[in-house]
Amino acid sequence: NAGVTQTPKFQVLKTGQSMTLQCAQDMNHNSMYWYRQDPGMGLRLIYYSASEGTTDKGEVPNGYNVSRLNKREFSLRLESAAPSQTSVYFCASSDNRGTYSYNEQFFGPGTRLTVL
Amino acid sequence: AQSVTQLGSHVSVSEGALVLLRCNYSSSVPPYLFWYVQYPNQGLQLLLKYTSAATLVKGINGFEAEFKKSETSFHLTKPSAHMSDAAEYFCAVSESLALTFGKGTMLLVSP
Repeated sequence: NAGVTQTPKFQVLKTGQSMTLQCAQDMNHNSMYWYRQDPGMGLRLIYYSASEGTTDKGEVPNGYNVSRLNKREFSLRLESAAPSQTSVYFCASSDNRGTYSYNEQFFGPGTRLTVL
Repeated sequence: AQSVTQLGSHVSVSEGALVLLRCNYSSSVPPYLFWYVQYPNQGLQLLLKYTSAATLVKGINGFEAEFKKSETSFHLTKPSAHMSDAAEYFCAVSESLALTFGKGTMLLVSP
């Protein structure tokens, strides 16, 4: 199993450009998440999808949109990139269907995004 | 609302010394608690988790953590540090679907 995969690994954008970050998991998990990591800030939740067909805002959703394409895939879109969106983006997934799921999350390797 | 406080953005120890990374949480309900480790340029890897089964939780790589409800703490310890333990460590709390992370503690290990 590959676990959680993310593409691309690195990206440089100019202000105003758009792009989509891709995430896929092969663990048959029902929930998926997008976080951003900034120095000294820990990880902050952007959006999450509790199950296929649903999405909800997290702590820092402004400037982002998401699509839960199917059970495996959850994409994050920046419509008009800004320098404040320079960050490392992590996708995660978890299986929350069972009584003992505890919301343990599994993380991808991250996408390093720079907006000039 | 739940929150996590990690005391100390950086902790330095000598190889072979005790490692103690502090985590305090606030939660309106009995929480699930996690410690994750992040090595340079990598994603987060689960070290251990508290799920109310036992207050002392053992994880990978010789780490353990003790849940103390009266102190709202979940500190991470390891008896003897190795050079390979140098990484950033994150404490997280879960009340529902989302995890709330602390700001992280960078562990520096010197020879």
